[in-house]
Amino acid sequence: DTGVSQDPRHKITKRGQNVTFRCDPISEHNRLYWYRQTLGQGPEFLTYFQNEAQLEKSRLLSDRFSAERPKGSFSTLEIQRTEQGDSAMYLCASSLILGRAEQYFGPGTRLTVT
Amino acid sequence: AQKITQTQPGMFVQEKEAVTLDCTYDTSDPSYGLFWYKQPSSGEMIFLIYQGSYDQQNATEGRYSLNFQKARKSANLVISASQLGDSAMYFCAMREASTGTASKLTFGTGTRLQVTL
Repeated sequence: DTGVSQDPRHKITKRGQNVTFRCDPISEHNRLYWYRQTLGQGPEFLTYFQNEAQLEKSRLLSDRFSAERPKGSFSTLEIQRTEQGDSAMYLCASSLILGRAEQYFGPGTRLTVT
Repeated sequence: AQKITQTQPGMFVQEKEAVTLDCTYDTSDPSYGLFWYKQPSSGEMIFLIYQGSYDQQNATEGRYSLNFQKARKSANLVISASQLGDSAMYFCAMREASTGTASKLTFGTGTRLQVTL
């Protein structure tokens, strides 16, 4: 039983460049979530999908951010025209819909914008 | 107002002792869930324990238990018989049912636990 995986684990990019992160959830999980975590803080919700439908987006998700889950399996998070303030850990999680629906997290992608 | 408050930025505990990590929450939703996660230095968030707002008994998972006091809106995590491997950041989180059965978590700022010999 594999957990949530994320790729890449680390990304260094120059300001103004575009970056894309990938998340592969636990296979039987319908829901997939993206969070952002900055140093010394807890994760902050960005967006989530149920199957391929994006059901909610946080106000934190500016126009430069876009997320997709085209076939209801893996998801991508793209940041266009990166800014230094985008430097953070980007966490992906997945869950079932029913029951406790606890979220299982991947190892995260650490983004550094120089 | 903060929805999840963790007032202890850091805690120390000796190996084999018990420790309580505090968490208070704020919601007007009668149906909600409370979660605790552990985040080691490697960065991955590890689910520890869950308490539903209608659960009559405090949740337990091995060495972890949740001291749920609904009227006081507190959900403290108790770790018994601490081990060196328990050294990590611990986050309390809440899911409110009004936002959907399985939707976003709101996290606190965390408590860093250090287990000493």
